[in-house]
Amino acid sequence: DADVTQTPRNRITKTGKRIMLECSQTKGHDRMYWYRQDPGLGLRLIYYSFDVKDINKGEISDGYSVSRQAQAKFSLSLESAIPNQTALYFCATSGGGIYNEQFFGPGTRLTVL
Amino acid sequence: GDSVTQMEGPVTLSEEAFLTINCTYTATGYPSLFWYVQYPGEGLQLLLKATKADDKGSNKGFEATYRKETTSFHLEKGSVQVSDSAVYFCAPSSGAGGTSYGKLTFGQGTILTIHP
Repeated sequence: DADVTQTPRNRITKTGKRIMLECSQTKGHDRMYWYRQDPGLGLRLIYYSFDVKDINKGEISDGYSVSRQAQAKFSLSLESAIPNQTALYFCATSGGGIYNEQFFGPGTRLTVL
Repeated sequence: GDSVTQMEGPVTLSEEAFLTINCTYTATGYPSLFWYVQYPGEGLQLLLKATKADDKGSNKGFEATYRKETTSFHLEKGSVQVSDSAVYFCAPSSGAGGTSYGKLTFGQGTILTIHP
């Protein structure tokens, strides 16, 4: 079984709808992250959480919110989706330490019409 | 803030050719350096890493050396294969201290295509 899972894997929605993307991990990591990937722009950090009570905005948090329901679960919400939020979204986890290697989920492809 | 400049792609090579993908960065503190790879239709996975100056990370025939004096972490492979076709991302992790500790900053990615 995958260590980091994301649901749904694909989603098509309409402008103005509320959308929630979910991430679960079995690695026992405290740190979790949400990124979006757009062609030619690499990955940009939306939100990150270093533990259940610690939530921080990344570089592009406008229009998004998150919830850290438990150590293993970190959800990303689009309160009112707009077309320029069409992108590939990745969740990642890390355990800290000297390397702080991040482990990525398979991604959610979101299309906002 | 932290930033990364990667060699622009796409890069197209023939099998068994030598590969270099350049990466330079600016980062706070003393960052760890990573190369991630994304195969078609998949998420990112760690390719190699280095944590201090002159360290050489290596994996699957790929190598990169942490050059602090030039703030670079260029990716190399002596003989590429068709299976190496993917998108490659250079990413420093911000140094110790402060709330940004351990955050990755990604380059825009370099698309690599290897032809038989």
